Amino acid sequence: EPEVTQTPSHQVTQMGQEVILRCVPISNHLYFYWYRQILGQKVEFLVSFYNNEISEKSEIFDDQFSVERPDGSNFTLKIRSTKLEDSAMYFCAVRRALGTGELFFGEGSRLTVL
Amino acid sequence: SQQGEEDPQALSIQEGENATMNCSYKTSINNLQWYRQNSGRGLVHLILIRSNEREKHSGRLRVTLDTSKKSSSLLITASRAADTASYFCATDANTGGFKTIFGAGTRLFVKA
Repeated sequence: EPEVTQTPSHQVTQMGQEVILRCVPISNHLYFYWYRQILGQKVEFLVSFYNNEISEKSEIFDDQFSVERPDGSNFTLKIRSTKLEDSAMYFCAVRRALGTGELFFGEGSRLTVL
Repeated sequence: SQQGEEDPQALSIQEGENATMNCSYKTSINNLQWYRQNSGRGLVHLILIRSNEREKHSGRLRVTLDTSKKSSSLLITASRAADTASYFCATDANTGGFKTIFGAGTRLFVKA
């Protein structure tokens, strides 16, 4: 069983539309992350989340982005009004422990903004 | 920024040869991790080396860490075509793991 499952695997949307990407980790993970990878480029940190609040966020994670874990299982990334440059692979990652804990990545959600 | 930066950006070798990838970072770290990504897939953790360790082995992987030079290397011995992937180093910011930053990666191509 994978440590984390992401849905959808691919979403195509029109510019200006809202998008919600979902991540479902198995139950013993405490730390949650979203990363973005524009095609062929580096894996960029967006945000980390622990104990129902944001722990760290990057400059990419502006007011158009939000995260939540409303029901204690799904961890979601919402982009309120998508732009063309939001087209990328979005990866959810989870971790059991800080410091020495490895990150477990989902297979990603490919977002295409037209 | 305390991002790791890898070199080379791309590496092409023959099956059976060794592949060495290097990573440099800018700030003090608690540990450094290496990940692998097959094209279009999620990253997979390979190995973690703590700041008080100098070398670590896992199967055909050998990682070294030089904290005085703020650099690490990943050696894959006896490479196989299936090792073809991108390899990333990652370090945690001083926030203790809430912000793990990845380098730009090395694309390794192993020719059969």
